[in-house]
Amino acid sequence: GQNIDQPTEMTATEGAIVQINCTYQTSGFNGLFWYQQHAGEAPTFLSYNVLDGLEEKGRFSSFLSRSKGYSYLLLKELQMKDSASYLCAVSPPPSYIPTFGRGTSLIVHP
Amino acid sequence: DTAVSQTPKYLVTQMGNDKSIKCEQNLGHDTMYWYKQDSKKFLKIMFSYNNKELIINETVPNRFSPKSPDKAHLNLHINSLELGDSAVYFCASRAGGWREDYNEQFFGPGTRLTVL
Repeated sequence: GQNIDQPTEMTATEGAIVQINCTYQTSGFNGLFWYQQHAGEAPTFLSYNVLDGLEEKGRFSSFLSRSKGYSYLLLKELQMKDSASYLCAVSPPPSYIPTFGRGTSLIVHP
Repeated sequence: DTAVSQTPKYLVTQMGNDKSIKCEQNLGHDTMYWYKQDSKKFLKIMFSYNNKELIINETVPNRFSPKSPDKAHLNLHINSLELGDSAVYFCASRAGGWREDYNEQFFGPGTRLTVL
């Protein structure tokens, strides 16, 4: 199957660091995506990991381990505006159907 | 300036009616999608088109019929609306062919459909 699992909800404090995990049961995909979706808005692209390891992009970093079927999104110096849902997604062959996790709702407290 | 646009943004209608949602992208992308996001926020693929051709139809009831008059447009027509069709519908587009999934998707603002 192509199950993608993420925690449903996480809470964190402004200024802190939070790690949002994503585990999947599929293989052969080109890369793994992370999207951010604020309430009432459309998902927007955050990151894409092809190779194993950490990709850093400002306050956000994303990690992939294909051997462990695992990815995480790391958010540093949390801001209130980071309160949103974070979705991981893959498009495994042969169908290349984009498959999203159910999303992790992150609540950032002052 | 809008990359992916959808109309209408809100749609409230009675059970049994037929309605359409329009989507347009001005990014020159070859691949377009329709997604349904339910009340639990699960984003599920419905259809994928590549250069006006249907690539993916994910076991969606045949009351839903996508139409792509050209590669910049992908419209969704829904017949005989049911209560369970209430959701937010997102259109998205991506550069490259349907196998070239290494490009990110750009989503439209969504259409919130409420069936009474």
